[in-house]
Amino acid sequence: AQSVTQLGSHVSVSEGALVLLRCNYSSSVPPYLFWYVQYPNQGLQLLLKYTSAATLVKGINGFEAEFKKSETSFHLTKPSAHMSDAAEYFCAVSDRGRDDKIIFGKGTRLHILP
Amino acid sequence: DGGITQSPKYLFRKEGQNVTLSCEQNLNHDAMYWYRQDPGQGLRLIYYSQIVNDFQKGDIAEGYSVSREKKESFPLTVTSAQKNPTAFYLCASGGQPNSPLHFGNGTRLTVT
Repeated sequence: AQSVTQLGSHVSVSEGALVLLRCNYSSSVPPYLFWYVQYPNQGLQLLLKYTSAATLVKGINGFEAEFKKSETSFHLTKPSAHMSDAAEYFCAVSDRGRDDKIIFGKGTRLHILP
Repeated sequence: DGGITQSPKYLFRKEGQNVTLSCEQNLNHDAMYWYRQDPGQGLRLIYYSQIVNDFQKGDIAEGYSVSREKKESFPLTVTSAQKNPTAFYLCASGGQPNSPLHFGNGTRLTVT
């Protein structure tokens, strides 16, 4: 079965500093991987997706993620944090090729310090 | 604009009452999903449907029921059998397999 682990339920960074949110996955088949962002009392919005075309994926709002098969990782980064980046971030792996499910990690809440 | 509409945004019920959460999409997606979100637990799958008139249980289906009579609609009923119904409920839809899900803005249910 596929699974996703997000390291750190809360991450704090200073405004202007590097953002690094960690995600490791488990999959028996080549995975499709996603990062979503959620602002308070809203649904999830897609940040970026990995579909095997390129290992470095660029998303919206200056975020990017690198797929590393040897490390089974798909960490999310942004060079310079902005106050508006404060939100909860979810990593997800697709099982939709088999039984049409997407498995989500438990989420990481990003805090931006002024 | 295409999207997913969940209503109402906030819902309050007394313990022992059934309640139905609405989810409508105009994205022409075949697959629809219901997730429950609790603090620190991420999203947990309740039910999903890949086609009209068919649906499957997710990881936490007990105390919930769904129907899929139309492609656009996938209502979720929280029954009195659900022991801890207070939560944030998210509906999503998906097009092609392995494509990202589109989410509604959620319904926050409070049962007292």
